Amino acid sequence: DTEVTQTPKHLVMGMTNKKSLKCEQHMGHRAMYWYKQKAKKPPELMFVYSYEKLSINESVPSRFSPECPNSSLLNLHLHALQPEDSALYLCASSRGVLGGYQPQHFGDGTRLSIL
Amino acid sequence: DQQVKQNSPSLSVQEGRISILNCDYTNSMFDYFLWYKKYPAEGPTFLISISSIKDKNEDGRFTVFLNKSAKHLSLHIVPSQPGDSAVYFCAASAYTGNQFYFGTGTSLTVIP
Repeated sequence: DTEVTQTPKHLVMGMTNKKSLKCEQHMGHRAMYWYKQKAKKPPELMFVYSYEKLSINESVPSRFSPECPNSSLLNLHLHALQPEDSALYLCASSRGVLGGYQPQHFGDGTRLSIL
Repeated sequence: DQQVKQNSPSLSVQEGRISILNCDYTNSMFDYFLWYKKYPAEGPTFLISISSIKDKNEDGRFTVFLNKSAKHLSLHIVPSQPGDSAVYFCAASAYTGNQFYFGTGTSLTVIP
């Protein structure tokens, strides 16, 4: 059982819809991450939150908007997505983010399909 | 530019034999390395890690070897079991860095 919970597991949306992906962890981790993964490719980092503040934005288009309401929750708000945004979106957490030998723990992801 | 590479997209091994998965990296600043296992429809699961002060780390059937001079690491699974069939990703980071760099994955099939 994963300790990082992502909802929903699957999401189908049109290009004009607004939806949100949710991620929750109760391991006391202070760093949380969003990744995008396409088939047969490695996870690509999108955003990093450290102590509830956005610390890394890997030049992600503004149609993706992250939010960290508290240390346990991470949201990804979606608006006006394109078909090429269809992918598996993974959330991860770790004890800290800046330095140190700490693994990231992943959720099972949200499979997003844009029509 | 891919800083972490897994050159074998797939590997098939008989049950009970050794599985060896390989990973190469280019950035000499990397000093922390991890292996993740991923089943279909699930997120990657952390398997084992190694820091650059070591050249070997063992956890049960899983052993990771690090060759810093060759910028190469490998994961050995002995004995291999059908439940080990999954995609394996290696990842690397620098102690002072702020993100992991993932390889493209190797799909392992363990044949009963």
